[in-house]
Amino acid sequence: DAKTTQPPSMDCAEGRAANLPCNHSTISGNEYVYWYRQIHSQGPQYIIHGLKNNETNEMASLIITEDRKSSTLILPHATLRDTAVYYCISMNRDDKIIFGKGTRLHILP
Amino acid sequence: NAGVTQTPKFQVLKTGQSMTLQCAQDMNHEYMSWYRQDPGMGLRLIHYSVGAGITDQGEVPNGYNVSRSTTEDFPLRLLSAAPSQTSVYFCASSYVLKGNEQFFGPGTRLTVL
Repeated sequence: DAKTTQPPSMDCAEGRAANLPCNHSTISGNEYVYWYRQIHSQGPQYIIHGLKNNETNEMASLIITEDRKSSTLILPHATLRDTAVYYCISMNRDDKIIFGKGTRLHILP
Repeated sequence: NAGVTQTPKFQVLKTGQSMTLQCAQDMNHEYMSWYRQDPGMGLRLIHYSVGAGITDQGEVPNGYNVSRSTTEDFPLRLLSAAPSQTSVYFCASSYVLKGNEQFFGPGTRLTVL
């Protein structure tokens, strides 16, 4: 089963791009990388997911390295409302989603 | 669509009491799951279901039962509540597991005294 590792916390200045890294060195070929966030103990919110190509949507961009061992979530223009815990998760072969510990992102005014 | 709904929002139980946390979704999703989140921790999977009549265990299933008689509903039962089950419980659903996003409910805050 793929495991993910993320830094426990990060700071980013408001208006700048926030780049959140995730390592998933044991990910297998058919496993996806998902990103969610959780704002102040609300239910987690889906952000984006990808398999091997870079992805972009209205919330963020996901950059996956060619060897698929790591990825970066990019929030292009961070606002105070982006302060949250960001989870990088991967699908294992038994179809159970296992959340990592997440990165607590602080957006600084 | 109401999305994923959970009831109750808050609950206080005494040790040994039983109760059922309700979860419903109106998106015709096949996959539903229950997570718990302890203070300062990430989410841990309790049980999940890939369709009506099919359930399976997650990381921390002990002390919890589930059933899935309809596509819409996925209740979580605590047969004999323990203080260690004090947590926030989230229900989630999706169309299929891979390649799709999961929709989470607002959570149920449970305290067991």
